[in-house]
Formats: sequence, C-alpha cells, structure tokens
Amino acid sequence: DIQMTQSPSSLSASVGDRVTITCQASQDISNYLNWYQQKPGKAPKLLIYDASNLETGVPSRFSGSGSGTDFTFTISSLQPEDIATYYCQQYDNLPGPLTFGGGTKVEIK
Amino acid sequence: EVQLVESGGGLVQPGGSLRLSCAASGFTFSSYEMNWVRQAPGKGLEWVSYISSSGSTIYYADSVKGRFTISRDNAKNSLYLQMNSLRAEDTAVYYCTKGRGSRWGQGTLVTVSS
Repeated sequence: DIQMTQSPSSLSASVGDRVTITCQASQDISNYLNWYQQKPGKAPKLLIYDASNLETGVPSRFSGSGSGTDFTFTISSLQPEDIATYYCQQYDNLPGPLTFGGGTKVEIK
Repeated sequence: EVQLVESGGGLVQPGGSLRLSCAASGFTFSSYEMNWVRQAPGKGLEWVSYISSSGSTIYYADSVKGRFTISRDNAKNSLYLQMNSLRAEDTAVYYCTKGRGSRWGQGTLVTVSS
C-alpha cells in the first residue's frame, strides 16, 4: 500500500504568516492528491484536488503544488479562521485504498 | 446542493453488529464511486471501504476485511456499511464520502464498549 508521510505534525504561527505543510508519498502518485481542512467536531472539507487545483469557493490564500512523491500545501497569510487540522490524501490507486497523511494541527501563536 | 447524511451509529457491545446508512442527494448518486472513512477519537483519518458506482468493485482496509460489508442501492440513493464482530478499536466517527473525497457527510459515531 502507498504510505503518506505528512510533516510537521503540528505548528504554531502568527496571523499573517506563511504556513507550509509537506506530504511525501512512498511511491509515485502523479498528481493524485487532495488536501483537506478539518475543524474540531466537523467533517473534513476538500480544499485542493489534483495536487494544485483550488476547490470552488476556497480562498485563494490556500494553494498546493507538487507531483510524483513530494507535495506542498501553503497558506500564504494565516488567518484566525484557518485554525484546523490539515490532511493530505492520495487516490492514485483508485479503486483501492485511499491513504491519508497523519495530519498537521495548525495553531495561532 | 450535495448532501450526504449518515445514520445508524450508536453504542454496541464487542462482538455486536451495526448497519450504517448514508443518504445521498443533490447529485446523480449512481454515477459516483463512494467510500467510508473513519476517525477514532483524537486520531487521524482512516479509509475503510470503497465501492464503485455500479457496486461491482469493492475494496476493504485490512483492518475490517471479513467483518464489514459495503453495499449500495442506487434506486434509493443510499450507501451502507454492515459492521459485524465489532471491536473496541472500531470506535470512531464514520463518514461517507463522494467520489475521491469532494464531499463528506457529517459523520455518525460508533462506540464499541461493554
């Protein structure tokens, strides 16, 4: 099975800071990667699909990049409402297991 | 508007069974593959099972293989997860998801405890 290694597991940043999260796949997954935001007590919300495409309605301060095995998720200017846990997820081997990264908890400093 | 509404969760004893349902609306359900994903309390997301749009292709995580059964009724716009031989480690919020994860339901909590 494909493994997804996400880092860091948590981070603390100030409002307005640029925040970067990385996700590494154990094998080439092309661009078959989603990024989700999950707030406490809520379901995950898709932010980025196909590694770099912004889901409709998602603010442009969120972006994604990468292909193959290495991917990056960026919040260009952290806002208080961005406090959440973020997950990457690969879907290269659909139909089949969808693997998630371990998550990154983002807090305000 | 796409909606996914899970139901059927609750408290069950180890070894017991539950059947989860997911009612879909706002999209052509029969055209989309669906998944179940779970999240144990305070933990990350774990994929559980996949079913193709027609129901002909099904996959399970090793952790639930042989105990859980995914199914769908396209005439009723519904997805199901039959869970047997439940264990404490199956305690989680269970989400149904559309396609590759574009939409998620609100989740239903399954608690396995004596």
